[in-house]
Amino acid sequence: GQSLEQPSEVTAVEGAIVQINCTYQTSGFYGLSWYQQHDGGAPTFLSYNALDGLEETGRFSSFLSRSDSYGYLLLQELQMKDSASYFCAVLGSGGYQKVTFGTGTKLQVIP
Amino acid sequence: DAMVIQNPRYQVTQFGKPVTLSCSQTLNHNVMYWYQQKSSQAPKLLFHYYDKDFNNEADTPDNFQSRRPNTSFCFLDIRSPGLGDAAMYLCATSSGNGPYEQYFGPGTRLTVT
Repeated sequence: GQSLEQPSEVTAVEGAIVQINCTYQTSGFYGLSWYQQHDGGAPTFLSYNALDGLEETGRFSSFLSRSDSYGYLLLQELQMKDSASYFCAVLGSGGYQKVTFGTGTKLQVIP
Repeated sequence: DAMVIQNPRYQVTQFGKPVTLSCSQTLNHNVMYWYQQKSSQAPKLLFHYYDKDFNNEADTPDNFQSRRPNTSFCFLDIRSPGLGDAAMYLCATSSGNGPYEQYFGPGTRLTVT
């Protein structure tokens, strides 16, 4: 089966940098995605890593290392509106186009 | 300009009374997904379609069924809702090729009384 583990909660200060980790045990996949979800809202796509290395999109960066079974989301210049839940997700493990979400991390940004 | 539309946004049903949730998309995407999400948990995949090819998760209860009559529409049928089926139901789409991204609808919050 597939499992993706994330820290359940992270607290960080406005303006700071925070890293949210995702460690996984899965038998092969196409790529690792990250989604943001505000309370009461739907998940929104942030980034996708098909290959190992760093992908940068504005204030958000995502990293994947298949050899270490590990990825992370890096949020820079934190803003209060970044307070939300963040999920990693793998594509294609256990089935073409199948998506499995990680356990999720609730980020609280404090002044 | 909504791309993935879910109706209704809120649904109240009685224990054991069948209910259907609907999803439509204007993106012409090949892949459509249904997720169940309970409070403070991750979305849990129930089914997904690649075109008409239906993929059922092994742990999705038989009480849950799905239909995709055409590219644009997908339905989730809960034949006999129990109290444990109260949750947010999320529909999502993806193109099925190229850089991977899922587009989510706003969700339907189901309450079972």
